[in-house]
Amino acid sequence: DIRMTQSPSTLSASVGDRVIITCRASQSISSYLGWYQQKPGKAPKLLIYKASNLEGGVPSRFSGSGSGTEFTLTISSLQPDDFATYYCQQYHSFWTFGQGTKVEIK
Amino acid sequence: EVQLVESGGGLVQPGGSLRLSCAASGFTVSNYYMNWVRQAPGTGLEWVSIFYSDGRTFYADSVRGRFTFSRDTSKNTLYLQMHYMTVEDTAVYFCARASSDLDAFDIWGQGTMVTVSS
Repeated sequence: DIRMTQSPSTLSASVGDRVIITCRASQSISSYLGWYQQKPGKAPKLLIYKASNLEGGVPSRFSGSGSGTEFTLTISSLQPDDFATYYCQQYHSFWTFGQGTKVEIK
Repeated sequence: EVQLVESGGGLVQPGGSLRLSCAASGFTVSNYYMNWVRQAPGTGLEWVSIFYSDGRTFYADSVRGRFTFSRDTSKNTLYLQMHYMTVEDTAVYFCARASSDLDAFDIWGQGTMVTVSS
């Protein structure tokens, strides 16, 4: 099974900050990686697919990069609506999620 | 509007059974790869099962042999039949859509809560 490890687990940041979340796969997954945002009591929302492609309707302050085993999600300027938990997901071999990164208000 | 709506969650005793439903609108489920994903309280997301457009199904090790994923194309609805349930099955269950088995999950339902407790 492919394991996904996110860091950090929790991130404290202020509005306007640049935020970077890292996701590492236990083996190469090419670019078969998605990023999701989840708010309490809500379903996850797809932000990025194929590692770097922005899902329709998602603000351009979100971007993704990486391939193989190392990936990043960047929020260029954190907005109040962005405080949430973020998950990476590999879909190269079955489907596995990272443990999540909670972005909280500093 | 493209939408998924889950139902059927509730309280069930250990060893019991429950069937979840996921009604789709705005698209045809048989043209997509449909998934169940669950989230235990306070924890992360766990993929549970997939129903391929060609009818094949796959399951996570944690549910294989106990859960069955089925599809009713006439109702455009998916089902997750759960048997021999344990407290570890307690979670919010989401259904989610993918365009292929090499695509992210682009549409999610709101989830339905399942609690396994005596």
